Amino acid sequence: DSGVTQTPKHLITATGQRVTLRCSPRSGDLSVYWYQQSLDQGLQFLIQYYNGEERAKGNILERFSAQQFPDLHSELNLSSLELGDSALYFCASSPVSVWGDYNEQFFGPGTRLTVL
Amino acid sequence: GQQVMQIPQYQHVQEGEDFTTYCNSSTTLSNIQWYKQRPGGHPVFLIQLVKSGEVKKQKRLTFQFGEAKKNSSLHITATQTTDVGTYFCAGGNYGQNFVFGPGTRLSVLP
Repeated sequence: DSGVTQTPKHLITATGQRVTLRCSPRSGDLSVYWYQQSLDQGLQFLIQYYNGEERAKGNILERFSAQQFPDLHSELNLSSLELGDSALYFCASSPVSVWGDYNEQFFGPGTRLTVL
Repeated sequence: GQQVMQIPQYQHVQEGEDFTTYCNSSTTLSNIQWYKQRPGGHPVFLIQLVKSGEVKKQKRLTFQFGEAKKNSSLHITATQTTDVGTYFCAGGNYGQNFVFGPGTRLSVLP
């Protein structure tokens, strides 16, 4: 158990809909990262937040948005869903803000999103 | 932008055989990390390398960072069925986005 929690575990929805994925980082970790992993694919970095502020942006679509709240939990909002958005979405946390420090990332169990 | 590649994409070995996966970056890295993802699981951090030419060992796993800090390798000696999974490298530079490689999927036949 990494200490990172994600809800829900599974999500099935229809095209055009909007969903929210939730992540609670490890106690004390200020950084939260979101990744997308499509079937048998690598990890695509979406976005990073540090202590409530956006810190880095990756290949995140405009239909997707995220935020980190004062209690440090984070939510990833996916809207106007398409079939191709079906994937495993991971959240990870780490104690530091920038790459280069000892920046081990602790991954949550993931949310499997299926868009029908 | 920075690209991180890994070879091979897939590797099937007989239990007891050795296994090596290679990670190559298009740019010089400040550090590199390795993660393992078991089937149906989430990535788990294995190690971080920061120094040119650095070699680190964890039991049967040996990690190496190239002299030019643009490549890395993970070698497993005498594979076991518990080694099954996908091994990812992730590299980046201070203050910049980091990039995960596509991973090498290892199958170990008993």
